[in-house]
Amino acid sequence: DAKTTQPPSMDCAEGRAANLPCNHSTISGIEYVYWYRQIHSQGPQYIIHGLKNNETNEMASLIITEDRKSSTLILPHATLRDTAVYYCIVIMNRDDKIIFGKGTRLHILP
Amino acid sequence: DGGITQSPKYLFRKEGQNVTLSCEQNLNHDAMYWYRQDPGQGLRLIYYSQIVNDFQKGDIAEGYSVSREKKESFPLTVTSAQKNPTAFYLCASSHLAGGPYEQYFGPGTRLTVT
Repeated sequence: DAKTTQPPSMDCAEGRAANLPCNHSTISGIEYVYWYRQIHSQGPQYIIHGLKNNETNEMASLIITEDRKSSTLILPHATLRDTAVYYCIVIMNRDDKIIFGKGTRLHILP
Repeated sequence: DGGITQSPKYLFRKEGQNVTLSCEQNLNHDAMYWYRQDPGQGLRLIYYSQIVNDFQKGDIAEGYSVSREKKESFPLTVTSAQKNPTAFYLCASSHLAGGPYEQYFGPGTRLTVT
C-alpha cells in the first residue's frame, strides 16, 4: 500500500498557483518525499524531492511541514500543460521499490 | 540524446500468444523497472533489476518474465499465463549508487489482447 494520502482531484485556474497536498504521517526519519506527475498516456515525470527543508526548482516548490507528516507541492503559475495526475511518494535512499498510489488528478481551468 | 525508449507504442495480440515488450536506456543507469498501469489506477511494479543477469519480482510478477543480459536492455515478456494482460506498460531506470535518486520513465507501451 502507498504510504501517502492525496485528494483524488483538484481544480486550479490558469495562471494561479496550484497547491497539491499530501499526507505522509508514518514517514520515517530517513525517508524522502518525491513528487512525480503523469500527463495522459505518457510515462511519469520526476518533479522534485525533499527530506526536511523546503525545496525549489524550475518546475515547482516543495513545502514540508516541520513534523514531516505532510507536504505541499506548489506549481507557482499553472498552465494548461500542467494538467496531469500528480503522485506523492515516500521512499528511502536506494529503496528498491517506488509505490505509486492513485495520485491527484489536477485540472487546470482556462 | 540520453533517454529511455520503449517500443512499440501500441501492440495488439491474440489471446494465448506470448508477447515481448522492449525497453532500452542509454543513461548508464544500474537499475531498471517494469510497471503496469490500468485505467484510473496508479502504477504497480512487475519486475525490477539492479544489475545485469539479476532481477527480482515485484508485486504482480505472475504471468510475466524478464531478462537482463545487457545493462541497457530489460525486455518484458507477457506470457499466455497472464490472465488480464491488456494494460499500459511502463519501463523505468535509475542510478543506484549515491544519494537520493529519481526514476526516469519511458513513453510506455499500450498492449491490447483480444
